[in-house]
Amino acid sequence: DAKTTQPNSMESNEEEPVHLPCNHSTISGTDYIHWYRQLPSQGPEYVIHGLTSNVNNRMASLAIAEDRKSSTLILHRATLRDAAVYYCILVRGGSQGNLIFGKGTKLSVKP
Amino acid sequence: DTGVSQNPRHKITKRGQNVTFRCDPISEHNRLYWYRQTLGQGPEFLTYFQNEAQLEKSRLLSDRFSAERPKGSFSTLEIQRTEQGDSAMYLCASSPIGSYEQYFGPGTRLTVT
Repeated sequence: DAKTTQPNSMESNEEEPVHLPCNHSTISGTDYIHWYRQLPSQGPEYVIHGLTSNVNNRMASLAIAEDRKSSTLILHRATLRDAAVYYCILVRGGSQGNLIFGKGTKLSVKP
Repeated sequence: DTGVSQNPRHKITKRGQNVTFRCDPISEHNRLYWYRQTLGQGPEFLTYFQNEAQLEKSRLLSDRFSAERPKGSFSTLEIQRTEQGDSAMYLCASSPIGSYEQYFGPGTRLTVT
């Protein structure tokens, strides 16, 4: 399975945008880019996913580089509730979908 | 339907005892996954069911671990002869056919003393 690389931690101020990067230089053509987050003492929560085009939903936006070797999860206005570990995961199309988690990025949000 | 539920939420057991955890997925979700998470690490995949069929097992799932989903609805994960290294959060997730979006439960935290 293709691997992803994320910074261990990031800090943000409340109500400011946050850009969480992910590198996946060995991504294959059928790999979808998924983002999950895990709030303290909870199970992971799906955030967003995409294949080639940028994606928006109510939680976040996903910007995918043209060569697909990197992507960025964008939280438009961070809140204290967004403090969590964010995981960038590649899921092969047609697979059974089991997720290979790395260590993710721990996001801290300062008031 | 309020999501994936797991019971118990916490379990403390002595080394050598057997434990069983239950996961109730979201109704009509065909796919069910078990993961294990230790402190400071991301979750690790253990096993996967599509309906009642167990289609994949990780090498992490030793012979002491067994999982079932007898009627394609709830699932159980049993650990026999628990060891201290089994102490972890055990997470269950479900997803509908045709979607890779997984919905996770709150987990069962196991402590082996």
